[in-house]
Amino acid sequence: NAGVTQTPKFQVLKTGQSMTLQCAQDMNHNSMYWYRQDPGMGLRLIYYSASEGTTDKGEVPNGYNVSRLNKREFSLRLESAAPSQTSVYFCASSFVDREVPYFGPGTRLTVL
Amino acid sequence: DQQVKQNSPSLSVQEGRISILNCDYTNSMFDYFLWYKKYPAEGPTFLISISSIKDKNEDGRFTVFLNKSAKHLSLHIVPSQPGDSAVYFCAASGNNNDMRFGAGTRLTVKP
Repeated sequence: NAGVTQTPKFQVLKTGQSMTLQCAQDMNHNSMYWYRQDPGMGLRLIYYSASEGTTDKGEVPNGYNVSRLNKREFSLRLESAAPSQTSVYFCASSFVDREVPYFGPGTRLTVL
Repeated sequence: DQQVKQNSPSLSVQEGRISILNCDYTNSMFDYFLWYKKYPAEGPTFLISISSIKDKNEDGRFTVFLNKSAKHLSLHIVPSQPGDSAVYFCAASGNNNDMRFGAGTRLTVKP
């Protein structure tokens, strides 16, 4: 039972490049989330998916897209990376919305 | 706008003593509050939660207190142990999926 897994663990991009962060959970959770963590800012919600087939914007969605591929997987895409997107990205999941989210280990992304 | 604030970036306590971490919020629609612990290079780990219908919740060495009129919650750890050294985040949510986090407090427990 791996919980929430994220790939890759680290990534360095050049400005303008694109990439997709992958997230999978094996806890049969319905809701999944993407957060970013920046120094002095705590964690901020980018997008969430309350259930398979639905996605909604969070607090800081600009510059990102998401796909809820199936119940297990929720990906985050940066179409044209910018230095302001340098951050640590966390995926989380919960059984239903308003339940406790459980977090993955994070992806550290640097955009040069 | 930061709706959840942890005004102390760091806290240092002696092993065996009480650690008190504080959190303030501004949104009166928040009705569910959580504390997470985070070690370096790991994701946040859920610690304890409280709903707005309660003013205290206890789990072993960890107790969370909620003062709704002051829009304030605190996490008490007693006794503190060196393994408790980590960054602690408080979080709050209302009637949607938009959970807001504070900036975190780094706790150091000295042996």
